[in-house]
Amino acid sequence: GAVVSQHPSWVICKSGTSVKIECRSLDFQATTMFWYRQFPKQSLMLMATSNEGSKATYEQGVEKDKFLINHASLTLSTLTVTSAHPEDSSFYICSASPGNPQETQYFGPGTRLLVL
Amino acid sequence: SQQGEEDPQALSIQEGENATMNCSYKTSINNLQWYRQNSGRGLVHLILIRSNEREKHSGRLRVTLDTSKKSSSLLITASRAADTASYFCATARPGGYQKVTFGTGTKLQVIP
Repeated sequence: GAVVSQHPSWVICKSGTSVKIECRSLDFQATTMFWYRQFPKQSLMLMATSNEGSKATYEQGVEKDKFLINHASLTLSTLTVTSAHPEDSSFYICSASPGNPQETQYFGPGTRLLVL
Repeated sequence: SQQGEEDPQALSIQEGENATMNCSYKTSINNLQWYRQNSGRGLVHLILIRSNEREKHSGRLRVTLDTSKKSSSLLITASRAADTASYFCATARPGGYQKVTFGTGTKLQVIP
């Protein structure tokens, strides 16, 4: 149990286009979802916290208009990278929590984005 | 700045040896967690230790927490090649936060 999927696992896009990444909790309802970004050989940096039916809470320095987050249901959150640039190339990981997110987060396998 | 810093940044040991990695943090916490990440993959939760606990075991894992020093350690005993991964600590702060903050990570290589 407690499986989180991400789609796609790999995406290559041209500079200026938008890319949508889906995060799904497959066997539980996620009241809270998180989106992280990870650069090579570095730690996870939290981008935003998403609660179902509410606007996402973005971390300082993360552009809301560039990284659009939608948590439309208790099992799905999406991250859209708008007008992607090469510096947006990174590994994006989501996590989902069925209860207290400070104690239980289940992570997706990640999505590697390459912007050319 | 990041909550947790881990040392060493990288660790290479022979199979069968023990591996110890440390995490230091800066503020008070509700709990501290350890995660493993295999290369290019998501994170797997290993163990959670609460602020009122000092030691916890899970299989070959032993975690200690010293809140007075704001530090934790993860010990993996009798390491295996399959333990090769990056290990991250993550801290949960009091004050109504939902999030946890990840440390810088230790990259462990276990040589068969």
